[in-house]
Amino acid sequence: RKEVEQDPGPFNVPEGATVAFNCTYSNSASQSFFWYRQDCRKEPKLLMSVYSSGNEDGRFTAQLNRASQYISLLIRDSKLSDSATYLCVVRNTGNQFYFGTGTSLTVIP
Amino acid sequence: DTEVTQTPKHLVMGMTNKKSLKCEQHMGHRAMYWYKQKAKKPPELMFVYSYEKLSINESVPSRFSPECPNSSLLNLHLHALQPEDSALYLCASSPWTGKMDTEAFFGQGTRLTVV
Repeated sequence: RKEVEQDPGPFNVPEGATVAFNCTYSNSASQSFFWYRQDCRKEPKLLMSVYSSGNEDGRFTAQLNRASQYISLLIRDSKLSDSATYLCVVRNTGNQFYFGTGTSLTVIP
Repeated sequence: DTEVTQTPKHLVMGMTNKKSLKCEQHMGHRAMYWYKQKAKKPPELMFVYSYEKLSINESVPSRFSPECPNSSLLNLHLHALQPEDSALYLCASSPWTGKMDTEAFFGQGTRLTVV
């Protein structure tokens, strides 16, 4: 069983749309959670950490449900520059970072 | 300095060659990682070093040999690779503290082609 499972996508949405990505993790002892963004042929970069109380950064909202082992990312008012692959990442007690399969987002003019 | 620097950026090697990938960070991070990423796939964890000691080997073939000479440097020695080992190799680092919500910082990667 994979450590992290994620919506496969791809998602093709018009500018201004709201889009949501989901992710589940298998290890209930996982310690911390992140969303990374990866542009084509670039390295992954942190988009935001995910906290138990939920957190927001501008147009981006992340939620964590520890009971269901579920993480989500909501992007409001999508911009062309949001087109990328979004990766759910889980850090466990051994300090390993495991990646979900990634969801490809294309925002269309 | 919040960078992880990897060299070289591109590498082409034959199946009988020996080469090394290098990674450097000066953020004082005591956890360092090697990941392998194939096209249209997520990064896959290969090795974890903590305080310069190998703590995790994700069943990686012995033709990949990691080395951590000091707290700032991480190498990946390559020998007798196969064409299917062609991929983007990413190095990452992270603080090793009780504050578990700290993220991993990634280098730009080495794009390896085995011919």
